[in-house]
Amino acid sequence: GAGVSQSPSNKVTEKGKDVELRCDPISGHTALYWYRQSLGQGLEFLIYFQGNSAPDKSGLPSDRFSAERTGGSVSTLTIQRTQQEDSAVYLCASSPWGGTGTEKLFFGSGTQLSVL
Amino acid sequence: ILNVEQSPQSLHVQEGDSTNFTCSFPSSNFYALHWYRWETAKSPEALFVMTLNGDEKKKGRISATLNTKEGYSYLYIKGSQPEDSATYLCAFPDRGSTLGRLYFGRGTQLTVWP
Repeated sequence: GAGVSQSPSNKVTEKGKDVELRCDPISGHTALYWYRQSLGQGLEFLIYFQGNSAPDKSGLPSDRFSAERTGGSVSTLTIQRTQQEDSAVYLCASSPWGGTGTEKLFFGSGTQLSVL
Repeated sequence: ILNVEQSPQSLHVQEGDSTNFTCSFPSSNFYALHWYRWETAKSPEALFVMTLNGDEKKKGRISATLNTKEGYSYLYIKGSQPEDSATYLCAFPDRGSTLGRLYFGRGTQLTVWP
């Protein structure tokens, strides 16, 4: 079946603009995760959705970042008033159940965000 | 924040060489340890999830061992090939949260020269 799909693959925006990044997880996967990798840094957790539970937003770096997951499937990560430090590769991942710490994550190919 | 350290940061080897690298993690409250491979312009791909002390996993020429008491895991690649060139990441779930959050190391970037 299809893997995790992310769009756009590349996004160039001007400082101060809002951007939306989309993730379509593997069908049937309950858990969905957003990570990002800034230049020279490791993968940084942003947010985690599991089924109908309240999302774990503890990794969102500021209130300019928000994410939603509609119908337990597609997720959108929104960054408002983008700053240059938001430039990074944003990765989405999904897993069948989540909440166990032992499931492999299935990653999308990411969105490269560049804020000028 | 959980500290997950990987070494070395980068590694260059010749085709046919065997190599290994290390992931260090907090040994207290151990739950699981993940290894991922991330090739340039591709998605990170899961290699192993390890949960038991002394566990050893193998996938083709790649194998991993786990020592939960001292807090380290080794990843070995036997007879490296150019297609093994990638960044190898280890990750550790945060047992204090919903277990959905993985802390990743910065990775070991492996380059295999033909």
